[in-house]
Parts: sequence; C-alpha cells; structure tokens
Amino acid sequence: EAAVTQSPRSKVAVTGGKVTLSCHQTNNHDYMYWYRQDTGHGLRLIHYSYVADSTEKGDIPDGYKASRPSQENFSLILELASLSQTAVYFCASSGLGDNYAEQFFGPGTRLTVL
Amino acid sequence: KTQVEQSPQSLVVRQGENCVLQCNYSVTPDNHLRWFKQDTGKGLVSLTVLVDQKDKTSNGRYSATLDKDAKHSTLHITATLLDDTATYICVVGDRGSALGRLHFGAGTQLIVIP
Repeated sequence: EAAVTQSPRSKVAVTGGKVTLSCHQTNNHDYMYWYRQDTGHGLRLIHYSYVADSTEKGDIPDGYKASRPSQENFSLILELASLSQTAVYFCASSGLGDNYAEQFFGPGTRLTVL
Repeated sequence: KTQVEQSPQSLVVRQGENCVLQCNYSVTPDNHLRWFKQDTGKGLVSLTVLVDQKDKTSNGRYSATLDKDAKHSTLHITATLLDDTATYICVVGDRGSALGRLHFGAGTQLIVIP
C-alpha cells in the first residue's frame, strides 16, 4: 500500500542543536513537501522538491534546509534549532499528473525545542 | 493575512446528530477546494474535492458544496459517529496540478459525544 512515513514521530531538541526530520514515500511521486502546523493556524509550506537532488523554498523557509537524495526520501534540517520552531511537521507527496494535485500526508513529527 | 477561514473553530455534537462546517476563502485563482480529515496525532486524509463553479459531492455520510462566486464551501456530516471526532481542514488549491500552491484553513475541531 502506498504510504508516506516519517521519523522520528516525536523529538525533543535543545536550542542551538541540529535536528533532522526524515520522510520516506512509496507512492512513486515526483513531488514532496514539508509543512509545519501550529495550533490555531493552517499548514504552512517550508520546502518542496519535484526531483531528486533539487529542492525549492516554500513560504517560510528561513531557519530550515531540505535535502532530496532520492525520489523516495526527503529530509528537513534545522541547523540551529530555536524555540519558535516547536511545531508539528508534516511531509507529503504528490504526483504531477494526479487528480487535482492530491497530496498524501505522513503522520507528522512533533518537535519540541527547549 | 489568512486566506482560508473556517467556522466554527470547534463543535460538540451528540452521536447521531448532523453537523455543518463552513469554509470561506479569498484565494485567487481558486481552482479547487478539498476537505481533509485529521485524526488526533495523524496525518491529513482527503474526504472530497470540489472543482466546478457550483459543485456538490457526496462520500458516504459526508457531503460538500462549493460556490466559487461566494468563495464559500460547506461540509455536511450526517448521523455522526464517535469516529468522526477529528479536525476537519479546508484547503484551496490555486491550480489543478502539483505545480500549484495549497492554502490551508486552521480547521474545525469536531467532538462527537455519546
């Protein structure tokens, strides 16, 4: 069954530390996305990618880097974690030709920065 | 500025009752609108997508309407079940492919009680 998985599912990090969130998809999709969800707000796009070895900035890229080493894998990197980056992070994938760009979401990673 | 507004913010209904969730938006262009269900601690799962100027869809106990002139959508849930307890998120897409951007509402938290 096609799926998007994320690891870890939750993480506690210290301010100034490095955090890497990983995403793996078996949908054979070209597009992958990283979003963050904050209480009371809609999901916001951080980075996305439409091909391996290339990433694009989304709406709120500051403080984040992304890496797409293969079609299946997409990572989000926080080089210097800050308190304001405490949130739930979702990865999603989408096929270019799919019906109205339906995105398939992973279960999320809850990140707490202390 | 928030471009997708959902109401109510939260809603409590008794099992078996019907409920209506609202979504107003200002996104332009508005190619399509999708409703997602997000169970606590889980990712988003698509319920339905609306495309036409005046559109209606039905998916089991879920039915939805879209009026692009009014930039307004509703999600109706009939004969609610305890498993309907979740956050329902309205998302407007500005294109019909993965090249477009998605604009997310903050969600309506629905709680179904026995």
